[in-house]
Amino acid sequence: ETGVTQTPRHLVMGMTNKKSLKCEQHLGHNAMYWYKQSAKKPLELMFVYNFKEQTENNSVPSRFSPECPNSSHLFLHLHTLQPEDSALYLCASSQEASGSLNEQFFGPGTRLTVL
Amino acid sequence: AQSVTQLDSQVPVFEEAPVELRCNYSSSVSVYLFWYVQYPNQGLQLLLKYLSGSTLVKGINGFEAEFNKSQTSFHLRKPSVHISDTAEYFCAVSENNAGNMLTFGGGTRLMVKP
Repeated sequence: ETGVTQTPRHLVMGMTNKKSLKCEQHLGHNAMYWYKQSAKKPLELMFVYNFKEQTENNSVPSRFSPECPNSSHLFLHLHTLQPEDSALYLCASSQEASGSLNEQFFGPGTRLTVL
Repeated sequence: AQSVTQLDSQVPVFEEAPVELRCNYSSSVSVYLFWYVQYPNQGLQLLLKYLSGSTLVKGINGFEAEFNKSQTSFHLRKPSVHISDTAEYFCAVSENNAGNMLTFGGGTRLMVKP
């Protein structure tokens, strides 16, 4: 399906490791998002970038560090994570970060396991 | 602040039976409403959306939803489900005077049985 790709699809890391998740969108969108999806919890918005500027940081711990070098690419840098950070991390994009242009297109996600 | 409630965490149903997945929202302003579907090991895919106009919205895979402003609801329906409809369904709302925040409900797992 997609418009929005994420790599890797699966990642296992120790608590002392540093790793990065990558998202790329081929839809010409200007807004990109990171979500966390944990078992039995609602989808949690983490970060929003609109025209490469971060417009939302939803009280995310500093061990998660986003980077948006251009409108097509979004990274999530991970360091010293905790086991409770294990989840599916979803990337999404939309035409812009507002109102009716809010239809978001999602990538397949990265399944992260922290040991 | 907006919020979304999906009252049913799981809905079991037999194949070819009708189904309704419930969604209620809370907001002090006008909203845009969305239903997404998530198949196993995949990301979310848009089923349908309400932005304005007709309150009955038709989407992909035979699904439809009706916006009811007085009841602040946006229930998803399908007259006859297939095994392949087994998935997680998410309702989401976005206020039309805010920057883009989509708020998602907790999801409803539709389990279609043969």
